[in-house]
Amino acid sequence: DQQVKQNSPSLSVQEGRISILNCDYTNSMFDYFLWYKKYPAEGPTFLISISSIKDKNEDGRFTVFLNKSAKHLSLHIVPSQPGDSAVYFCAASDGGSARQLTFGSGTQLTVLP
Amino acid sequence: NAGVTQTPKFQVLKTGQSMTLQCAQDMNHNSMYWYRQDPGMGLRLIYYSASEGTTDKGEVPNGYNVSRLNKREFSLRLESAAPSQTSVYFCASSGREATSTDTQYFGPGTRLTVL
Repeated sequence: DQQVKQNSPSLSVQEGRISILNCDYTNSMFDYFLWYKKYPAEGPTFLISISSIKDKNEDGRFTVFLNKSAKHLSLHIVPSQPGDSAVYFCAASDGGSARQLTFGSGTQLTVLP
Repeated sequence: NAGVTQTPKFQVLKTGQSMTLQCAQDMNHNSMYWYRQDPGMGLRLIYYSASEGTTDKGEVPNGYNVSRLNKREFSLRLESAAPSQTSVYFCASSGREATSTDTQYFGPGTRLTVL
């Protein structure tokens, strides 16, 4: 049973518009959430995170929103740029031993020029 | 400051062969991890090491062994490779202190094909 789900395998957005990537989770013990970005033939790179005590975190063009009651988080990218085209993974931690992360299956974002 | 490094980048094995994937980090992190990534499945944790001298199983440990050689290095061994182990393998590390940030930093990956 997948504890972290990204139901959209792909998303296409026009350059300059907003990209919204979604993630749902089932484990109520998760207390920390992260987004990673991955280009082909490279390792995932950390993008932004949010603690369960917050409902929003911003870093430049990237904002993550957390809705604990709905067990849902989203990543907003504004404005989207062609260089943002990558696979985005949502991940969650329940604070256990070594702070293990559970990953979603990823969403391929394509930003069209 | 190289971050997390992995060797080799690519490897082709025949069924039944063995090999060791190497990982090293220079960020003085306590915890290290091995993941595999398969199409449509995200990253799945194979083994992890919370601190030097300890290792634990993750979600998909069967067919693998690990060694935390020292604080910097964490290796993954396939004793008898199977085609089901064809995947991309990522090493990661996190945390200067045992209970600090959950952010993990990843290496570039090893693409393994088992024929």
